[in-house]
Amino acid sequence: DGGITQSPKYLFRKEGQNVTLSCEQNLNHDAMYWYRQDPGQGLRLIYYSQIVNDFQKGDIAEGYSVSREKKESFPLTVTSAQKNPTAFYLCASSMLPSGSTVTDTQYFGPGTRLTVL
Amino acid sequence: AQKITQTQPGMFVQEKEAVTLDCTYDTSDQSYGLFWYKQPSSGEMIFLIYQGSYDEQNATEGRYSLNFQKARKSANLVISASQLGDSAMYFCAMSLRGPQASGGSYIPTFGRGTSLIVHP
Repeated sequence: DGGITQSPKYLFRKEGQNVTLSCEQNLNHDAMYWYRQDPGQGLRLIYYSQIVNDFQKGDIAEGYSVSREKKESFPLTVTSAQKNPTAFYLCASSMLPSGSTVTDTQYFGPGTRLTVL
Repeated sequence: AQKITQTQPGMFVQEKEAVTLDCTYDTSDQSYGLFWYKQPSSGEMIFLIYQGSYDEQNATEGRYSLNFQKARKSANLVISASQLGDSAMYFCAMSLRGPQASGGSYIPTFGRGTSLIVHP
């Protein structure tokens, strides 16, 4: 089945540690995205990537880093510089290089819930 | 700056009745897209329906329809014949072209969501 997988589902981190969230898609989509969701809030864009080896900052990129070495994979690292990392993280992908057209629809993975202890 | 407003934090509806979830947006652009997503308690965001700013007819997908009123800048989601499985958070999103400095990409902005509870 085609889709987007995120792992792990739940992640616990001690303060001061870096942690990497995995996102893989087998939809052959060009664009991938990372969002953060806090309780009672909508989604806020962290980073997005249109093609391999290229990515752009979103609205809240500080304290996060990404890489896009393969089309299928877009891992997100939450660094110790992120002041309040406890949140729900959603990865998404869309067919075209991101933002090519206004109709480009994003499809989401199941999410990773990160808790800092 | 683009802005999406969902004014209803929570809505209740009886099973088999119709419900309307409100969404207003703010933009001076002529070309934009409007999306609705459903987020059940499991957390995954599920795409429901899309409406383009130039589309003259309201979008429909099964029990979902989008009541698009361009002059009022509203894009309300109508769910007909509610089912217990419709209980979830619902998010409205708008996509329009960003600044050229960021590549001029269409990246959606999401509202804060509306919690819908369907009771028997």
